[in-house]
Amino acid sequence: TQLLEQSPQFLSIQEGENLTVYCNSSSVFSSLQWYRQEPGEGPVLLVTVVTGGEVKKLKRLTFQFGDARKDSSLHITAAQPGDTGLYLCAGATDKLIFGTGTRLQVFP
Amino acid sequence: DAGVTQSPTHLIKTRGQQVTLRCSPISGHKSVSWYQQVLGQGPQFIFQYYEKEERGRGNFPDRFSARQFPNYSSELNVNALLLGDSALYLCASSPYGASYNEQFFGPGTRLTVL
Repeated sequence: TQLLEQSPQFLSIQEGENLTVYCNSSSVFSSLQWYRQEPGEGPVLLVTVVTGGEVKKLKRLTFQFGDARKDSSLHITAAQPGDTGLYLCAGATDKLIFGTGTRLQVFP
Repeated sequence: DAGVTQSPTHLIKTRGQQVTLRCSPISGHKSVSWYQQVLGQGPQFIFQYYEKEERGRGNFPDRFSARQFPNYSSELNVNALLLGDSALYLCASSPYGASYNEQFFGPGTRLTVL
């Protein structure tokens, strides 16, 4: 069974702080996607990383795919209340395998 | 443009009953996938349909079935409901044939089994 473990499970921080979310697996994925899900809505794609070692930046969000394509991280700089939500990584095999999720709460 | 729509929004059923959930994909998208999201967990893949044919199936019992119509809308059926079937059921559409490509999710149907 392929599993994607995310850590931490919960994160509660003040506006302006930096944070990193980790997504780890023992399996190799052809690509990895990061989604954000807000209450009452479905997940929305943030980014797809494809190449081992790849780094992608989306404004204050930096995504990295591990060299072995088994793990990934999401770093948020100067978090804002609008960043609050459930962050999900999803690894691509013959289907999408979603991680366990990291629930982020950013307080003003 | 309208996003993925799902109906109903919420549903309450009792054990042993049957339920049908509906999904309309984004216009032009021919792939529809269904996911189950239990509270506190990430979504789990149930089915993918592309051009009206089943392309993939997750590790779910035969009580779960789905189909896709000529207009690419889809239905998910669950028979003999169990308490453990309580979850948010997400539908996702994509213009691509593979279920591992970018998915555009609907808001989900919240199913509660009593």
